[in-house]
Amino acid sequence: KAGVTQTPRYLIKTRGQQVTLSCSPISGHRSVSWYQQTPGQGLQFLFEYFSETQRNKGNFPGRFSGRQFSNSRSEMNVSTLELGDSALYLCASSHGPLEKETQYFGPGTRLLVL
Amino acid sequence: AQSVAQPEDQVNVAEGNPLTVKCTYSVSGNPYLFWYVQYPNRGLQFLLKYITGDNLVKGSYGFEAEFNKSQTSFHLKKPSALVSDSALYFCAVRVHTGGFKTIFGAGTRLFVKA
Repeated sequence: KAGVTQTPRYLIKTRGQQVTLSCSPISGHRSVSWYQQTPGQGLQFLFEYFSETQRNKGNFPGRFSGRQFSNSRSEMNVSTLELGDSALYLCASSHGPLEKETQYFGPGTRLLVL
Repeated sequence: AQSVAQPEDQVNVAEGNPLTVKCTYSVSGNPYLFWYVQYPNRGLQFLLKYITGDNLVKGSYGFEAEFNKSQTSFHLKKPSALVSDSALYFCAVRVHTGGFKTIFGAGTRLFVKA
């Protein structure tokens, strides 16, 4: 099976712009989560989706949003970019939303905000 | 508050020697614990997980982890380290807080010297 894919892999934006990141989960996986990884804050949870429904949201401002489509693909959007949004954004998929499910991660999208 | 702690920022070990990367957790209810490894400019790779049952869990690449309920620990171990094991290791716990999310430790960088 193909793994989790994320596009684009690298992105450079300027402050105030908006960005959309895409994630395609492993075939058959219906749960997708997003994480932000920075040197200072480590890995922080953004959102989790299952069957097109947002089931949980982390402690991020409303500029961060996401959605999941009927084919389980997911997008996240960051509006009005700030310098501090520079990070590696990781997407993970699992078969279902249960606690014991293993999450499989994509390679990430590295976002640089200038 | 539910949390995961990795008390060592860095672990140094000689090739061929055993390695241990420490992790302690604080959660309410049953813990579902995971170890992931991250190589430079890559996403996280799943190593192993503890859900229930045998306290010694065996995973990928010769790694294993020991679950200790009384000490609330889930240390990662390998009997004989390889230079190629050098990477960033994350301990994580899956929790339910309205929805599901994964809480990660800060990470431990492992250096294996030839």
